[in-house]
Amino acid sequence: EPEVTQTPSHQVTQMGQEVILRCVPISNHLYFYWYRQILGQKVEFLVSFYNNEISEKSEIFDDQFSVERPDGSNFTLKIRSTKLEDSAMYFCASCRDTNSGANVLTFGAGSRLTVL
Amino acid sequence: GDSVTQMEGPVTLSEEAFLTINCTYTATGYPSLFWYVQYPGEGLQLLLKATKADDKGSNKGFEATYRKETTSFHLEKGSVQVSDSAVYFCALSDRGSARQLTFGSGTQLTVLP
Repeated sequence: EPEVTQTPSHQVTQMGQEVILRCVPISNHLYFYWYRQILGQKVEFLVSFYNNEISEKSEIFDDQFSVERPDGSNFTLKIRSTKLEDSAMYFCASCRDTNSGANVLTFGAGSRLTVL
Repeated sequence: GDSVTQMEGPVTLSEEAFLTINCTYTATGYPSLFWYVQYPGEGLQLLLKATKADDKGSNKGFEATYRKETTSFHLEKGSVQVSDSAVYFCALSDRGSARQLTFGSGTQLTVLP
């Protein structure tokens, strides 16, 4: 069964450092997403991406965050200068289309970011 | 805005016990409703879904019915197994929203042999 793969599975970084989280969505999917879950809290939407541009972003997704699809397979989330409160599990997801009633997303296993 | 309220955890049950995890939602439109499951070390996996009122989603012995009148989508299983131990997330998707999913806080289920 096709999978969404994420790397790294766990990253530890110092506050103020740049971090790039990588995702390989399912190959025929067109819509890509990042969500995050701070420990003990809800899974929160960060950003959606379609046709090489951001479709929607949440209030969490400020200027410190950016997304990119640098080639035909990868989808990256960059945090320019990490803060302690960026420590969370980051989930990538992809979807083939958004027109069907179910809007089913396929998620990766997550990348745990720890900011010290 | 849209929101999902989910039963607080953790929940600990003995094998073969009956499971209910409550989920209620608030949405402006007519959302689709989902249960996702996260096994240890894995990603969020779709467990079941329902796209309109009175639909029942089912998978692996789990069921949930979309109740518009009570804005609920409670997850049930008649006889849990140790392998059901995981975190369960209720979620909704408002049609036309690029955000796709609004999640509940997740409920940790542990099933003891």
